[in-house]
Amino acid sequence: KQEVTQIPAALSVPEGENLVLNCSFTDSAIYNLQWFRQDPGKGLTSLLLIQSSQREQTSGRLNASLDKSSGRSTLYIAASQPGDSATYLCAVRGGSQGNLIFGKGTKLSVKP
Amino acid sequence: EAQVTQNPRYLITVTGKKLTVTCSQNMNHEYMSWYRQDPGLGLRQIYYSMNVEVTDKGDVPEGYKVSRKEKRNFPLILESPSPNQTSLYFCASRGTGTQYFGPGTRLTVL
Repeated sequence: KQEVTQIPAALSVPEGENLVLNCSFTDSAIYNLQWFRQDPGKGLTSLLLIQSSQREQTSGRLNASLDKSSGRSTLYIAASQPGDSATYLCAVRGGSQGNLIFGKGTKLSVKP
Repeated sequence: EAQVTQNPRYLITVTGKKLTVTCSQNMNHEYMSWYRQDPGLGLRQIYYSMNVEVTDKGDVPEGYKVSRKEKRNFPLILESPSPNQTSLYFCASRGTGTQYFGPGTRLTVL
């Protein structure tokens, strides 16, 4: 059974720092991997989707990488801002018809 | 605008009083799903639907029902709510790629 782990569970950094959030999964046979952002009490906003054949995706200050063979993905946030404070969730999909399996998230706090 | 909508957004009810949370998407997606989110447990899937009239259990289906009579709608039904169903509920839909989530329904069962 696929398991998704995110480390660390919480992270606090000063504004302007570059940071990396980690996601690992136990079964490398994935269809795609998606990173989401969730603000407190709010819905999930999709940040980046990486297909299994891709190595990375970029959107603005965000860059997500995927290493299927080692079961790992990282989300890189450049020049962090207080507005980046949120919980970041990683989810993997096992097949074209599969369901998303979520990690428990990393709660990021960016201090001004 | 592509979106998933849920109603109501907030609901306080009492044990045993049947309720329905509606979910609708305007992206013509075949796949729809319901999740609940609880502190320390993360997001857990309740039910999902691959298409009209096709539904299946997720990880935590007990105490819930769903129906998929139309492609755009996927209501979640609690026939006899109990306090352990107090949670934040999300509906989601997807096509071939990105999964989109609704804004959430915060349910409190007294």
